[in-house]
Amino acid sequence: DAKTTQPNSMESNEEEPVHLPCNHSTISGTDYIHWYRQLPSQGPEYVIHGLTSNVNNRMASLAIAEDRKSSTLILHRATLRDAAVYYCILRKNSGYALNFGKGTSLLVTP
Amino acid sequence: NAGVMQNPRHLVRRRGQEARLRCSPMKGHSHVYWYRQLPEEGLKFMVYLQKENIIDESGMPKERFSAEFPKEGPSILRIQQVVRGDSAAYFCASSPEDTYEQYFGPGTRLTVT
Repeated sequence: DAKTTQPNSMESNEEEPVHLPCNHSTISGTDYIHWYRQLPSQGPEYVIHGLTSNVNNRMASLAIAEDRKSSTLILHRATLRDAAVYYCILRKNSGYALNFGKGTSLLVTP
Repeated sequence: NAGVMQNPRHLVRRRGQEARLRCSPMKGHSHVYWYRQLPEEGLKFMVYLQKENIIDESGMPKERFSAEFPKEGPSILRIQQVVRGDSAAYFCASSPEDTYEQYFGPGTRLTVT
């Protein structure tokens, strides 16, 4: 299975944009890029997903490189409630099991 | 629309006892997944069930662990003769179809003493 690489941790100031990178150099053509986040003491929460084109929703934006070997989750204005572990996950179109790595722990400071 | 419900939220068992973890999926969801999260690690897939069927249990330990999703009632993850290494957070997720986004419950934190 293709693997993802994320920084262990990142820090951001409140109200500023945050760019969370993910490398997936061995991604295959049928792999979707999913992002989930896990707030402290809670279950993971779906954030966004995409295949080739950039995607936007009410929570975040997903920018996918043209060669699909990397992607970036963008939080446009970080709030204290965005402090969480963010997981970048590759999921085949026909797949169901989510393979969570260690993710990026995002710290947001006031 | 209530989210995925798990109970109990916290469970303490002594070594050798049985642990039963329950998961009620979101209304209208017929697919259930169980994951385990060991301390300081990411979630690991354990088992995928539909009503009355186990579809994939490749992530389940071969012994002591079992799961079911009966026609009526919640999905149950059962751990027999618990050991200290079973201490973890167990998360259940549900989806309406197998390729839809998974909605996670708050988890059950199992502590084995």
